[in-house]
Amino acid sequence: EAQVTQNPRYLITVTGKKLTVTCSQNMNHEYMSWYRQDPGLGLRQIYYSMNVEVTDKGDVPEGYKVSRKEKRNFPLILESPSPNQTSLYFCASSRPPDNEQFFGPGTRLTVL
Amino acid sequence: DAKTTQPPSMDCAEGRAANLPCNHSTISGNEYVYWYRQIHSQGPQYIIHGLKNNETNEMASLIITEDRKSSTLILPHATLRDTAVYYCIVRVADSWGKFQFGAGTQVVVTP
Repeated sequence: EAQVTQNPRYLITVTGKKLTVTCSQNMNHEYMSWYRQDPGLGLRQIYYSMNVEVTDKGDVPEGYKVSRKEKRNFPLILESPSPNQTSLYFCASSRPPDNEQFFGPGTRLTVL
Repeated sequence: DAKTTQPPSMDCAEGRAANLPCNHSTISGNEYVYWYRQIHSQGPQYIIHGLKNNETNEMASLIITEDRKSSTLILPHATLRDTAVYYCIVRVADSWGKFQFGAGTQVVVTP
């Protein structure tokens, strides 16, 4: 089954404790993205990647890192999480030319 | 980047067609219009996209005006499962990976 998986689905952590949210897709897509969703602010793109080793900032990249060492994986790294990063996070993948994005189920992160 | 404007909410009776408008008056010639929807807090789901011609698939139809400044997503026979937030997105022309979601339209389908 074609899908995007994210882990963990739920995470409660404390300020400053480094964490990684994994994202994996099995569709051989070139493009992958990370979004966060907050009440009243909608979905905002954090980072995106056009292929292995090619990443770029979205609209809200501050406080996040990403890497794309393999085509199928695109982890989101929070080196020093803060409470304002409490959010619902989505990973997505797509490929040209249609660029139809497939989204993962989401990761609900709470930073205390 | 072209911005989109959608009504914040709309209701639709089950079995009737739902017509969701989107304004994108600053769209440029090589920017596509995409529609996604999000049911509760699930991951958004792709619906349809188009450049300037009308498009139809098994989920919906997309009607783009001749001047491309607005479009309408049509759900031909709305069901309760179509209750969701619908997003109209214009893809940034110079970057295949960059997407900007707006606030969307909350559609409630009622029995």
